[in-house]
Amino acid sequence: AQSVAQPEDQVNVAEGNPLTVKCTYSVSGNPYLFWYVQYPNRGLQFLLKYITGDNLVKGSYGFEAEFNKSQTSFHLKKPSALVSDSALYFCAVRDYSRNNFNKFYFGSGTKLNVKP
Amino acid sequence: DADVTQTPRNRITKTGKRIMLECSQTKGHDRMYWYRQDPGLGLRLIYYSFDVKDINKGEISDGYSVSRQAQAKFSLSLESAIPNQTALYFCATSDFRSPGHETQYFGPGTRLLVL
Repeated sequence: AQSVAQPEDQVNVAEGNPLTVKCTYSVSGNPYLFWYVQYPNRGLQFLLKYITGDNLVKGSYGFEAEFNKSQTSFHLKKPSALVSDSALYFCAVRDYSRNNFNKFYFGSGTKLNVKP
Repeated sequence: DADVTQTPRNRITKTGKRIMLECSQTKGHDRMYWYRQDPGLGLRLIYYSFDVKDINKGEISDGYSVSRQAQAKFSLSLESAIPNQTALYFCATSDFRSPGHETQYFGPGTRLLVL
């Protein structure tokens, strides 16, 4: 079955420290991987995506994510967290295979709390 | 995201009532989606449409229907609302010109409460 797992409901980090938000996926074909961020009372905003090429992908607001095929993971990272990064983060996968070509799957979300 | 708008932003209704949520976009995308968000469950796809004459069921289409009136408009209807349809509903769009690579762009959401 196709799925996306975000094992942590919440991540707490101090401002200035590095942060990691975890995501693992399971698809039958090649994955197209995305990270979105949701601020309070707002819709989801695109952060970054992995399609092919370098395993380290850079996105908006200083975020990056590392694709690891052997571990089927796509963890979101930032070297130095800001209080303004506090939000809800969603990992998503598009299964690029014949039977599931049109399907997007979202994880359950991870709430990031960055404390001053 | 001003390019994707949803109306209403908030709605309270009673069990058994019919309700329509509307989505409009000015991005020129031909793919549109409806999702619902529930705490701890993330986003789940209700329906999606790849052009005006194309409508497809998502994971959780029971109890919902949609209408793609034009390329820019995609409406979601609850024919007879029930309390477990209380959720945050999002419309999204994407661009067919990069299939498989497409990024989705989300509206601000409609918060629906069914009493």
